[in-house]
Amino acid sequence: AQRVSQPEKLLSVFKGAPVELKCNYSYSGSPELFWYVQYSRQRLQLLLRHISRESIKGFTADLNKGETSFHLKKPFAQEEDSAMYYCALSHGGATNKLIFGTGTLLAVQP
Amino acid sequence: ETGVTQSPTHLIKTRGQQVTLRCSSQSGHNTVSWYQQALGQGPQFIFQYYREEENGRGNFPPRFSGLQFPNYSSELNVNALELDDSALYLCASSLFGGSLYNEQFFGPGTRLTVL
Repeated sequence: AQRVSQPEKLLSVFKGAPVELKCNYSYSGSPELFWYVQYSRQRLQLLLRHISRESIKGFTADLNKGETSFHLKKPFAQEEDSAMYYCALSHGGATNKLIFGTGTLLAVQP
Repeated sequence: ETGVTQSPTHLIKTRGQQVTLRCSSQSGHNTVSWYQQALGQGPQFIFQYYREEENGRGNFPPRFSGLQFPNYSSELNVNALELDDSALYLCASSLFGGSLYNEQFFGPGTRLTVL
């Protein structure tokens, strides 16, 4: 079964500390992985996708097919990074449905 | 460029009633997906519409149905409401066949409360 797991409901760090939000997935084919972010009072928006191999707002994520992981990392957290982060999987094809994890709330303390 | 819009923002219904939620897709998009997000959970895929036809469905009963109109806007209908249907309903649009087909753009959601 296709599944996305985010083991941490809440991650609290101090400003300037490194951040790693964990995401593991189960999927038999070649999935496309995403990180979506939801800031307070804003809609869900795409942060980054693995095929782009970009760094957005200082965040990066590497797809590790051996460990079936797609962890989100940032070397120095900022207060404005505080938000809800969702890892999602899409198997593409005719239906580009997204399978989401339960989300991790990142709280960056001053 | 106009983003995804949803109406209404909030809705309160009682058990057994029927509800219709509406979504206007982002300008230039032709595919609409609907998701249900229960409290403390990630969004769950309900179904997707493309060319006015259902193009994939998640694990939701038939009392969840939808429509897509020629202008690519969409409706989600839920019949015989149950307490567990209380959730945030998200609409997302994308462009089928575009180079960024898999990127979905989300609306602000409709908060449905069933009493």
